[in-house]
Amino acid sequence: AQSVTQLGSHVSVSEGALVLLRCNYSSSVPPYLFWYVQYPNQGLQLLLKYTTGATLVKGINGFEAEFKKSETSFHLTKPSAHMSDAAEYFCAADGGATNKLIFGTGTLLAVQP
Amino acid sequence: DTAVSQTPKYLVTQMGNDKSIKCEQNLGHDTMYWYKQDSKKFLKIMFSYNNKELIINETVPNRFSPKSPDKAHLNLHINSLELGDSAVYFCASSLTDLSYEQYFGPGTRLTVT
Repeated sequence: AQSVTQLGSHVSVSEGALVLLRCNYSSSVPPYLFWYVQYPNQGLQLLLKYTTGATLVKGINGFEAEFKKSETSFHLTKPSAHMSDAAEYFCAADGGATNKLIFGTGTLLAVQP
Repeated sequence: DTAVSQTPKYLVTQMGNDKSIKCEQNLGHDTMYWYKQDSKKFLKIMFSYNNKELIINETVPNRFSPKSPDKAHLNLHINSLELGDSAVYFCASSLTDLSYEQYFGPGTRLTVT
């Protein structure tokens, strides 16, 4: 069964620094992959998604992610962190034969001034 | 014009009570979901309906009963509430049951005392 692993439950960066949030999936067949962001006391908002085609995917708010089949990874990056990026980030993958989304355990991003 | 809305946003109740959470989407999507997010932010799917038909029913106590009067609405009724039911419950929708891109509501924070 598909599983999604997010390394680092808490990541802290300085404003203006590179943001790197890690995500790995388990299936041998490349799944559809998603990053969602959850701001405090809000629902999840889709940041970006990978289905097929170009492996570098650009999303909202300056985020991008690269699908690397050889590493079964879909890490999220942003060149320069902003205070408003502080939130919980969830990586998700499709569940294969099921129509479920499988979520990672989330990474809380803190941005220091 | 909120895409996925939930009511109420907060729900505080005592053990043993019965309560309902309502969800509506105005995106014209066929598929709707209920998720539970625990205190550690872990997101787990509970149910999914496609065109008013139940298609995902995870291992959830039968005190939880979803109802979909039409494809734009998915309600969650919980009987005999327990302390462990305290969580944030999210409703979501997707275009079809084969679409993994899901749109989330703002969540309902349920506190059982």
